[in-house]
Amino acid sequence: GQQLNQSPQSMFIQEGEDVSMNCTSSSIFNTWLWYKQDPGEGPVLLIALYKAGELTSNGRLTAQFGITRKDSFLNISASIPSDVGIYFCAGQLAGTASKLTFGTGTRLQVTL
Amino acid sequence: EAGVAQSPRYKIIEKRQSVAFWCNPISGHATLYWYQQILGQGPKLLIQFQNNGVVDDSQLPKDRFSAERLKGVDSTLKIQPAKLEDSAVYLCASSTRLAGGFNEQFFGPGTRLTVL
Repeated sequence: GQQLNQSPQSMFIQEGEDVSMNCTSSSIFNTWLWYKQDPGEGPVLLIALYKAGELTSNGRLTAQFGITRKDSFLNISASIPSDVGIYFCAGQLAGTASKLTFGTGTRLQVTL
Repeated sequence: EAGVAQSPRYKIIEKRQSVAFWCNPISGHATLYWYQQILGQGPKLLIQFQNNGVVDDSQLPKDRFSAERLKGVDSTLKIQPAKLEDSAVYLCASSTRLAGGFNEQFFGPGTRLTVL
């Protein structure tokens, strides 16, 4: 099955730095989602985007729904140690009854 | 509110053996999903239920995998016989209802399966 392409695959950053990651697809999606997964846990929804061009924030997180509807971006400002984890994008096609296609993941590690 | 419960959390079996996983969704959630997450990849949907009916099982390897949700509440996923490539985390998720729009899926902690 299809998986969305995320980049970078992994990042090592220092506490306090800003982080950017993106997700691209060959398909057009109606909804873009960003999840975070901690070790031994299931993914947890961070941000949901519903409209092309939409920019949405959740605390230090900001995500954008690309205008082409084939990509999305996630930024984390002023990273802290608890930001460590794997970030997944996911897309939902119109009329697919909530079926999600997930990205390959970006592993974020934060050093003090 | 209790989250999605899964058991066991870990399972180690030898190839060709059988294994079953159990999931109890959030109370009142009509839609239940089973995902397979291979190490280093994102989750991949195996099967989706709406109450006790199957909505989508297009990516379920039906020669060895089966799932049921007989009473429309909890669900079991079975693998028989297991192969080495089935080693993965099996995630269960639930959402409130099936609709044309987006319904947030809440994930359980997963069952980590190792096939030797």
